[in-house]
Amino acid sequence: TQLLEQSPQFLSIQEGENLTVYCNSSSVFSSLQWYRQEPGEGPVLLVTVVTGGEVKKLKRLTFQFGDARKDSSLHITAAQPGDTGLYLCAGGRSSNTGKLIFGQGTTLQVKP
Amino acid sequence: DAMVIQNPRYQVTQFGKPVTLSCSQTLNHNVMYWYQQKSSQAPKLLFHYYDKDFNNEADTPDNFQSRRPNTSFCFLDIRSPGLGDAAMYLCATSPGQFTDTQYFGPGTRLTVL
Repeated sequence: TQLLEQSPQFLSIQEGENLTVYCNSSSVFSSLQWYRQEPGEGPVLLVTVVTGGEVKKLKRLTFQFGDARKDSSLHITAAQPGDTGLYLCAGGRSSNTGKLIFGQGTTLQVKP
Repeated sequence: DAMVIQNPRYQVTQFGKPVTLSCSQTLNHNVMYWYQQKSSQAPKLLFHYYDKDFNNEADTPDNFQSRRPNTSFCFLDIRSPGLGDAAMYLCATSPGQFTDTQYFGPGTRLTVL
């Protein structure tokens, strides 16, 4: 069974702090997706990374795909209360059906 | 804008009373998925359709059924909801064809009384 271990599961920080969320696996993925989900809403796609070593930036968010395509990280600089939510990583195997393996999720709370 | 739409956003049903949740998409994607999500957990895949081909996850209870009458619509039927079925139900779509990215709808929050 493929597993995607996401850590930490919970994070509570003050506005302005930096943080990093990790997703690790022993399996190789063809792509890694990061989603953010706010309470009562569906997950919203933040980024897809597909190349080993790839780094993508989305304003204060930096996403990295490991060289071996087995792990990924999300770094947030100067967190704001609007960053609060559930962050999900999901790995893909480039299958015909597009099925994803999800990490357990990281609940982030940013206090003003 | 192309999107994934779920109706209703909130559904209340009684224990054992059948309920149907709906999903529609304007993305013209081949693949549609139904997920169950409980509080602060990752979504759990129930089943998916690749075009008209139905694929059930091995641990999806028989109480859950699905229909996809055409490319745009997909339905989730819960035949006899139990208290443990109270959850957020998410519909997602993907182009398939070796594209991994999925696009989610806003979800339906199901309450079972």
